[in-house]
Amino acid sequence: DARVTQTPRHKVTEMGQEVTMRCQPILGHNTVFWYRQTMMQGLELLAYFRNRAPLDDSGMPKDRFSAEMPDATLATLKIQPSEPRDSAVYFCASGSRSGQWNTEAFFGQGTRLTVV
Amino acid sequence: GENVEQHPSTLSVQEGDSAVIKCTYSDSASNYFPWYKQELGKGPQLIIDIRSNVGEKKDQRIAVTLNKTAKHFSLHITETQPEDSAVYFCAALYGGSQGNLIFGKGTKLSVKP
Repeated sequence: DARVTQTPRHKVTEMGQEVTMRCQPILGHNTVFWYRQTMMQGLELLAYFRNRAPLDDSGMPKDRFSAEMPDATLATLKIQPSEPRDSAVYFCASGSRSGQWNTEAFFGQGTRLTVV
Repeated sequence: GENVEQHPSTLSVQEGDSAVIKCTYSDSASNYFPWYKQELGKGPQLIIDIRSNVGEKKDQRIAVTLNKTAKHFSLHITETQPEDSAVYFCAALYGGSQGNLIFGKGTKLSVKP
């Protein structure tokens, strides 16, 4: 069945290292979201794309985070350099938007990032 | 700014009782309101959603109501079961024609057998 695939599922890295998280949206979906989940802040929207174009990345720390969609089947979220406060679960979600209406957003299983 | 408030943050009920979770939103242009259930170690999964052109929607034991005037919407779970225990998130679509989902902080529901 169709699902959003995120890799890796878990990542432990040292402070200062580059981290790349990948997401394969559901085929045919034209909207991709990146969320960060922590106990304190809940689900925070970092960035989202429609038809591969970034629409809003205001939730993302620009100095160290970057999000891209090199093609319709791949979205990436990079952190460089990583810091301990970046430790969280990062979710990718995809959906479709046509005109005024949206379909539901389907979430991946998440990438649990630990920066030590 | 864009904001979704969700209450309560934790909710404990006895099996068979009803559970109600409430959310308010700030953007009167929002037109789509989904509810997600998140189990431990998994991503959020949609359980029900409602659009601004209806006031209520029901799916078996789950119902959602929307009051556009007051800008609030609620999730109702009847005849709760232990497997309903999870974290529930409400969300609202912001941004008009652009549209991004903003989530509430979540409600941890515990159903005691």
